[in-house]
Amino acid sequence: AQTVTQSQPEMSVQEAETVTLSCTYDTSESDYYLFWYKQPPSRQMILVIRQEAYKQQNATENRFSVNFQKAAKSFSLKISDSQLGDAAMYFCAYRSYSNYQLIWGAGTKLIIKP
Amino acid sequence: DADVTQTPRNRITKTGKRIMLECSQTKGHDRMYWYRQDPGLGLRLIYYSFDVKDINKGEISDGYSVSRQAQAKFSLSLESAIPNQTALYFCATSDRDNQYGQPQHFGDGTRLSIL
Repeated sequence: AQTVTQSQPEMSVQEAETVTLSCTYDTSESDYYLFWYKQPPSRQMILVIRQEAYKQQNATENRFSVNFQKAAKSFSLKISDSQLGDAAMYFCAYRSYSNYQLIWGAGTKLIIKP
Repeated sequence: DADVTQTPRNRITKTGKRIMLECSQTKGHDRMYWYRQDPGLGLRLIYYSFDVKDINKGEISDGYSVSRQAQAKFSLSLESAIPNQTALYFCATSDRDNQYGQPQHFGDGTRLSIL
């Protein structure tokens, strides 16, 4: 069975600086998708970025980018120029190519220091 | 208006009561999901449905049932609520994959407390 591990329960960063959140996963499949979701205190679950495993190029969305290392089964999220509005829980999620079920990590709480 | 709407937003009830959580969507997606979120555990899938006639159990379906009344509506029931079902419940939808894996889109959640 697939598993997703987020080893950092909490991270903090100074406003305007860069922070990286870690995610590792375990799978025997070669085709899959990976996602980062953000959950602010308002409790909405918001898609931040996604990556297809067959793509070698790392996904980017404005200040958010990933470092996808398929062989290492690692999928970290980098947030550049951190803003106060980035404060939230961040969840990493895995989905196999053939199965629509998402497997979730336990989340990392990101604190932004002004 | 929200694309995925959950009602109620919050609910407090007593052990043994029957509870229904409702979800409706205007995104036109075929696929709908129910999750529960507990502190420190991330989200866990309860049930999912790929169309009105296709309903599947997820990781933690015991104690829950669902109904897909229409493409746009998917409700979750707790037949006899117990305190360890206290959690934040999310409904989500997704489109069919094209050349990309389609992400899931979430409602705002229902916070359920069972006393």
